[in-house]
Amino acid sequence: QQPVQSPQAVILREGEDAVINCSSSKALYSVHWYRQKHGEAPVFLMILLKGGEQKGHEKISASFNEKKQQSSLYLTASQLSYSGTYFCGKVGGAGGTSYGKLTFGQGTILTVHP
Amino acid sequence: EAQVTQNPRYLITVTGKKLTVTCSQNMNHEYMSWYRQDPGLGLRQIYYSMNVEVTDKGDVPEGYKVSRKEKRNFPLILESPSPNQTSLYFCASSLAAPNYGYTFGSGTRLTVV
Repeated sequence: QQPVQSPQAVILREGEDAVINCSSSKALYSVHWYRQKHGEAPVFLMILLKGGEQKGHEKISASFNEKKQQSSLYLTASQLSYSGTYFCGKVGGAGGTSYGKLTFGQGTILTVHP
Repeated sequence: EAQVTQNPRYLITVTGKKLTVTCSQNMNHEYMSWYRQDPGLGLRQIYYSMNVEVTDKGDVPEGYKVSRKEKRNFPLILESPSPNQTSLYFCASSLAAPNYGYTFGSGTRLTVV
């Protein structure tokens, strides 16, 4: 089942902050975050593996709650280059070949204006 | 340069004419995967492979075939393409998908008329 992202779209001015949420009805093994700019391929941002984990990538960071059912991506002091569609992805559950199954949320469109 | 290479970038074909989209990676990655991307539907996984000769279905496998005879290559085969397979296709590879991110190829835009 697809993870649920919110909001679907965000419009910001440069310097403003945004939070994108990703939730699942079941505990996740790990959660991935990607950004896709228009006309380009998705680009990996970060992965979170442990409940309670927080990870940063320049001014972009993410958290994974203790129950591993929700992750949030934080974009602070946004720049024009942050514009794009952000996807979270969940890895399939325990055992077997399902570790290769990475299911994406529907995406959040982030637009940063000058 | 570490990369995932897909070919062709653009393809227009007719209904029923078999085609293959090639994908190759030079990073010695174990995992490879195919996705299709459609407006409003996001990225949907077609097939994935955890190693040579190990493949499994993703969320939308109908109408597609894959094979993984060599570690570096993971071709996507459409034996009888139909217009509903018109889409943007991405190949991706990962060192180990549960714990590492995927590197995506540049995409193949397929149109079936």
